[in-house]
Amino acid sequence: KAGVTQTPRYLIKTRGQQVTLSCSPISGHRSVSWYQQTPGQGLQFLFEYFSETQRNKGNFPGRFSGRQFSNSRSEMNVSTLELGDSALYLCASSLGDRERHEQFFGPGTRLTVL
Amino acid sequence: GQSLEQPSEVTAVEGAIVQINCTYQTSGFYGLSWYQQHDGGAPTFLSYNALDGLEETGRFSSFLSRSDSYGYLLLQELQMKDSASYFCATGSSASKIIFGSGTRLSIRP
Repeated sequence: KAGVTQTPRYLIKTRGQQVTLSCSPISGHRSVSWYQQTPGQGLQFLFEYFSETQRNKGNFPGRFSGRQFSNSRSEMNVSTLELGDSALYLCASSLGDRERHEQFFGPGTRLTVL
Repeated sequence: GQSLEQPSEVTAVEGAIVQINCTYQTSGFYGLSWYQQHDGGAPTFLSYNALDGLEETGRFSSFLSRSDSYGYLLLQELQMKDSASYFCATGSSASKIIFGSGTRLSIRP
């Protein structure tokens, strides 16, 4: 069974631009979560989607948004990029609500904002 | 607030045993998970404790005491490949997944 995939793996943008990151969960997994990882802040929860519905959102500004499609694939968008948005963005999937304690992570998208 | 606290760094010797502690404070509690992350890699799930007690998976064991809001990950027969960062994580009553800041484990020959 294929693992979680994320595209692109690396991205360089300039301040003010916007970016869209994509995540394909493991087949059959309905829950997708997004995290931002930085050396100083560790893994920070962005949001979680389950069956196309956003179930929860972390403490990030409205510039960060996401969505989930009917095939469980998910995208996250960051608008008006700031230097501080440079980070590794990780997507994780889990089978369902009762299995959220076991998340399968993708390799991440390394975003650099210049 | 909701938080998980773990030591930032731990050093151990190859072949030895090391314990990584995690204390948590959450408004709700949905068990404690542990993840391993090698440099440049993605976190991978190691273990989960829903109830008090010890869970053993090969060389790794994880313990939980809900009354003490405390858990730990125990790594035995340490190997150089165990050098990585280890994160504890839990869900909250708001269904958010919260991760600790991570413990960087360095292993010396």
